[in-house]
Amino acid sequence: GAVVSQHPSRVICKSGTSVKIECRSLDFQATTMFWYRQFPKQSLMLMATSNEGSKATYEQGVEKDKFLINHASLTLSTLTVTSAHPEDSSFYICSARVGTRYQETQYFGPGTRLLVL
Amino acid sequence: GESVGLHLPTLSVQEGDNSIINCAYSNSASDYFIWYKQESGKGPQFIIDIRSNMDKRQGQRVTVLLNKTVKHLSLQIAATQPGDSAVYFCAENSDRGGKLIFGQGTELSVKP
Repeated sequence: GAVVSQHPSRVICKSGTSVKIECRSLDFQATTMFWYRQFPKQSLMLMATSNEGSKATYEQGVEKDKFLINHASLTLSTLTVTSAHPEDSSFYICSARVGTRYQETQYFGPGTRLLVL
Repeated sequence: GESVGLHLPTLSVQEGDNSIINCAYSNSASDYFIWYKQESGKGPQFIIDIRSNMDKRQGQRVTVLLNKTVKHLSLQIAATQPGDSAVYFCAENSDRGGKLIFGQGTELSVKP
């Protein structure tokens, strides 16, 4: 299957700092990537849809100024958590869409564990 | 057995038995469904998918059944192994933009 990587895999930061997470499609081009957040023992919650060359589309309740998304190329999307606070601590996962309309499988990255102190 | 509570629903099975994980989806317009497996600390891993014009699809040791009448999806795992222990999520797609809506997940525990 298609391979998606994330960097870093784990990050610890102080409250008020910004953290950038990278999502890369390694062996394919992805015009669309998605960013999810997952709290312990819960399901994945979609945060935003990242489209190459255009602005991201955010889900209701997700602050676009706090979670900055940039999809500058067909293989890279970045999520920046600005002025992070302890409540932003979570598991952030990206995915990339592969295929045509009827085979829109999403392949997921390994996730990034963010801990804000 | 299967239980639902404040935490993820859990299913505990004996190694070698068959497992059935159920999912109720929300949107009758959804036309594409996927099952994912997520191990602790990792991202979801694609298992099998099914389109709405099918009611059954088989893979290696896994079968997905779709009942559109009652908006129900199930994942059957044959001869369950300890390596199958993980959280399983169903996801539905009804959006041309490709957005997936995930179910709450079921934690499968395989006893040796």
